[in-house]
Amino acid sequence: AQSVTQLGSHVSVSEGALVLLRCNYSSSVPPYLFWYVQYPNQGLQLLLKYTSAATLVKGINGFEAEFKKSETSFHLTKPSAHMSDAAEYFCAVSAPRNTGKLIFGQGTTLQVKP
Amino acid sequence: KAGVTQTPRYLIKTRGQQVTLSCSPISGHRSVSWYQQTPGQGLQFLFEYFSETQRNKGNFPGRFSGRQFSNSRSEMNVSTLELGDSALYLCASSLTGSSTDTQYFGPGTRLTVL
Repeated sequence: AQSVTQLGSHVSVSEGALVLLRCNYSSSVPPYLFWYVQYPNQGLQLLLKYTSAATLVKGINGFEAEFKKSETSFHLTKPSAHMSDAAEYFCAVSAPRNTGKLIFGQGTTLQVKP
Repeated sequence: KAGVTQTPRYLIKTRGQQVTLSCSPISGHRSVSWYQQTPGQGLQFLFEYFSETQRNKGNFPGRFSGRQFSNSRSEMNVSTLELGDSALYLCASSLTGSSTDTQYFGPGTRLTVL
């Protein structure tokens, strides 16, 4: 069975600092992994996804993530945080076959301090 | 293309009542998935519909049901509401619901049960 663990429910960085949000997965089959962002009172917006084409995935708004099979990780990074990056971030793995099911981590709230 | 739309955005109901939520997917998308988001349990998968058929169901009681119409629009129904059903209900659409498909989320319906 698939599962996702996000280390750190709350991360605080200064504006301009590196953002690192951690995600580890468990999967019995090759995983397809996603990062979503949620702003207050909104739905989820896709940042990036990994579907085995390349281990370093670039997404929107300057975010990227690296798939590391040996570490079962898919951490999200951004070199320089902006105030507008403050939001909740979710890592997810898709269930195998055509099920339309995503399994989400518990989420990480990113705070950006001026 | 227009995004995923959900109506209504906000609902207030009392215990014992029933409620119907609506979701219109992105044009051309045939898979619609529903999720419940609460502070305690996070994002949990409810069910997924494809071509008017429920293909997958999460671990929720039978009070939660859904359907999909021939135009891919979907509704979910919750009967005999309980206080614990208060949550943000998100629907997401994708082309086919395959593991590599991106799921696009609507803004959600905030349900409050009094």
